[in-house]
Amino acid sequence: SQQGEEDPQALSIQEGENATMNCSYKTSINNLQWYRQNSGRGLVHLILIRSNEREKHSGRLRVTLDTSKKSSSLLITASRAADTASYFCATAALSGNTPLVFGKGTRLSVIA
Amino acid sequence: DGGITQSPKYLFRKEGQNVTLSCEQNLNHDAMYWYRQDPGQGLRLIYYSQIVNDFQKGDIAEGYSVSREKKESFPLTVTSAQKNPTAFYLCASRGEGGGFVYQPQHFGDGTRLSIL
Repeated sequence: SQQGEEDPQALSIQEGENATMNCSYKTSINNLQWYRQNSGRGLVHLILIRSNEREKHSGRLRVTLDTSKKSSSLLITASRAADTASYFCATAALSGNTPLVFGKGTRLSVIA
Repeated sequence: DGGITQSPKYLFRKEGQNVTLSCEQNLNHDAMYWYRQDPGQGLRLIYYSQIVNDFQKGDIAEGYSVSREKKESFPLTVTSAQKNPTAFYLCASRGEGGGFVYQPQHFGDGTRLSIL
């Protein structure tokens, strides 16, 4: 079952602008992960945030997690054309040994 | 380099035919997964295996079968019972180091299956 729901479904911005994507989920989690998928390729892991963390940074990526609202956001700063891809959130259950549950993704287009 | 190899990249199935998608990993991961992705959609779990000789159904297992005879390999068979098999199929694996729950999934580059 798909737990994560990304918002918006599609986003188009100019190069240099910031891109923000949101993810909402339904049940309590151990951690939340963000992945990127280029067209016709597999997913690539970007960043993981644990349930006891509120914010995490990695290069131009900033992820926040609000467990009370069961939501997360991914911010990509100073977007580049090469950031054009689909972005998915995935949640890891409290039990730990079950598969990640992926959302439907946000399609980001960065226009040069 | 360690990674996951899926083959073939493109596959065509005739009506009534079974086809097998290959997934091999050299990451020494115990857990492996198969997902189906339809255009503009997220990933739906077909089957997963957490150890050799064991596997579990995911959300959409009907019309699919798997085997896990070796740690490195997790082939997926799309049977003739799967009436709408046209999709992009992704294989993934996940390791144990540092706590399984904190490990990311590593993905292959997918197989695109179409009906002739």
